[in-house]
Amino acid sequence: DIQMTQSPSSVSGSVGDRVTITCRASQGISSWLAWYQQKPGKAPKLLIYAASSLQSGVPSRFSGSGSGTDFTLTISSLQPEDFATYYCQQANNFPRTFGQGTKVEIK
Amino acid sequence: QLQLQESGPGLVKPSETLSLTCTVSGGSIRSSSYYWAWIRQPPGKGLEWIGSIYYNENTYYNPSLKSRVSMFVETSKNQFSLKLTSVTAADTALYYCARSIASFWFDPWGQGALVTVSS
Repeated sequence: DIQMTQSPSSVSGSVGDRVTITCRASQGISSWLAWYQQKPGKAPKLLIYAASSLQSGVPSRFSGSGSGTDFTLTISSLQPEDFATYYCQQANNFPRTFGQGTKVEIK
Repeated sequence: QLQLQESGPGLVKPSETLSLTCTVSGGSIRSSSYYWAWIRQPPGKGLEWIGSIYYNENTYYNPSLKSRVSMFVETSKNQFSLKLTSVTAADTALYYCARSIASFWFDPWGQGALVTVSS
C-alpha cells in the first residue's frame, strides 16, 4: 500500500493568514492526489483533485501543487469557515489511501 | 444535485455481519465514469477506503478487508450496498458512501452512518 504522510498534524492560524499543509507519498503517484476538508460532524468535501485542479464551487483561496511524492495544499487567506481537518488521498494505486489528517485551528 | 444516504443497523454484535445500503438520488447509479464507494472513519480517527463498485458489479476491495467484504449494486432501486462479515469492535466506525469519479476521487459523500459493534 502507498503510505500518505501529512505534516503538520495540526496548525494554528488567524483569519487572513496563509496556511500550507504538506502531504508526502511513500512512492511516486504522479498527480493522482486529492485534498478533502472535513468539518466536525460532517462528511469530507472534495477540494482539489489531480493535485492542482479546483473542484467546482470551492473558493479560489484554496490551491494545490506538487507531483511525484510531495504535495501541498495552500489556503491563501484563512477564513473562519476554513477551520477544519484536511486530508490528502492518493489515487495512483489500489487500495486508495488517505493521509492521517491535518487540523487547522484558530490561533 | 446528487445526494447519497446511508441506511442500516446502528448496532451489530461481534462475529455477525454488518450490512449497509446507500441510496442515490438526483442521478443514476448507471452513470458511466462513476464508481460507488464505501469509506469508513473510526471515532476520532482518519479515513479508510473499503472498496468501490461499478454498476456492472466490477469491484475493487481493500486487501486489508477483502476476505470479509462484499459490495453489490441494485440498479432498479438506484442503490448499492456493503456487507462486512465477522465484525469486531475494530469495525466500529462512521461508514460513508460516496460517488467515486472514475474510481479516483470521492464526491459527493453521504452524511455517514455510525455502526457500533458491541454485544
